[in-house]
Amino acid sequence: ETVLTQSPATLSLSPGERATLSCRASQSVSNYLAWYQQKPGQAPRLLIYDASNRATGIPARFSGSGSGTDFTLTISSLEPEDFAVYYCLQRSNWLTFGGGTKVEIK
Amino acid sequence: EVQLVESGGGLVQPGRSLRLSCAASGFTFDDHAMHWVRQGPGKGLEWVSGIGWNSGAIGYADSVRGRFTISRDNAKNSLYLQMNSLRPEDTALYYCAKELRRGNSPLDYWGQGILVTVSS
Repeated sequence: ETVLTQSPATLSLSPGERATLSCRASQSVSNYLAWYQQKPGQAPRLLIYDASNRATGIPARFSGSGSGTDFTLTISSLEPEDFAVYYCLQRSNWLTFGGGTKVEIK
Repeated sequence: EVQLVESGGGLVQPGRSLRLSCAASGFTFDDHAMHWVRQGPGKGLEWVSGIGWNSGAIGYADSVRGRFTISRDNAKNSLYLQMNSLRPEDTALYYCAKELRRGNSPLDYWGQGILVTVSS
């Protein structure tokens, strides 16, 4: 089973700041890595797939990078609606989610 | 518009069974693999089970293997999860989700979830 470790667990930032979230896999997942945003009471929303492709309708301030075992989600300038929990998902061997990173208002 | 609507949840005693359903619309159901993902109270996302477009590939998380059975009926555009021998730790919001494409695909659309509570 591929384990995904997300860091940090919590990120405290102000609107306008840059957010950098990390996801590390216990073994290579090639580029089969996706990122999701989840707000309270809502289903997860796909942001990035195949490590760096933005999903339909996702703003350009969201970008993904990485391959193999190390991946990054970057939000270039935080908007008020971006404060949420973010999860990574590997699709190399069935599915595994990371534990999540909460981006909170500082 | 893609819609995934889960049903069948509720309160059940430990050791009993429950069957979840997911009604799909707005896309060609038999073109896409489908999955169940759950989220315990205050917890993160946990993949539960997935099934290929023609039921040829089926997978389960270790935590549910041998107790849960996933199935689909392409004629009815429906996905199911039969949950037996339920435990308190199975208490969660259960989401139905579809794959974006065939092959190593992320999940692009999710239902709103259905709550399963296992308690005596």
